Amino acid sequence: DTGVSQNPRHKITKRGQNVTFRCDPISEHNRLYWYRQTLGQGPEFLTYFQNEAQLEKSRLLSDRFSAERPKGSFSTLEIQRTEQGDSAMYLCASSFSTSSYEQYFGPGTRLTVT
Amino acid sequence: SQQGEEDPQALSIQEGENATMNCSYKTSINNLQWYRQNSGRGLVHLILIRSNEREKHSGRLRVTLDTSKKSSSLLITASRAADTASYFCATDGRGATNKLIFGTGTLLAVQP
Repeated sequence: DTGVSQNPRHKITKRGQNVTFRCDPISEHNRLYWYRQTLGQGPEFLTYFQNEAQLEKSRLLSDRFSAERPKGSFSTLEIQRTEQGDSAMYLCASSFSTSSYEQYFGPGTRLTVT
Repeated sequence: SQQGEEDPQALSIQEGENATMNCSYKTSINNLQWYRQNSGRGLVHLILIRSNEREKHSGRLRVTLDTSKKSSSLLITASRAADTASYFCATDGRGATNKLIFGTGTLLAVQP
């Protein structure tokens, strides 16, 4: 197993466009998290899935953001009508619920909105 | 919102020296974790300390936890240039989802 993967690694888009990111967690992990990290700050929690169920969403996740995890495997995060303030690193992490609290992070998708 | 603050914000040391980073948090926790992030990359888990533990070691890492002061410290001994990275503490916030609440991070630079 090669760990958590995220695609694309970089995305440059114009304000107002929609973007979609994908996360492939470690295969036996049933918990999946999305975080957002801006320059010079720690990651901030966006949303959490257990299997295919989205169980928690942060207030940071405005109506323009939607996340899915069909069949409890990979997950997608879509941002509609992007704004310059959406520019950030979007990180995905996974963990196995009966193990330790450790989360395994992907390399992130860096979004730049021009 | 960030759980707490880390101190110092930046630290520069020579190879072979020890590096100490401190973290403060705001709410009750089940555990506290430390993660490392190389520039522009994802985070790597370093060590976890539970709320009923006071000190934990892993290789060159030593973590302490003082729940009465809501603070933790990470000591890296005999630092190497490869330790250059940002270091973040993260708490679980006692929630059922185990989402992590990160501090603001310490940027460590180890000069060869």
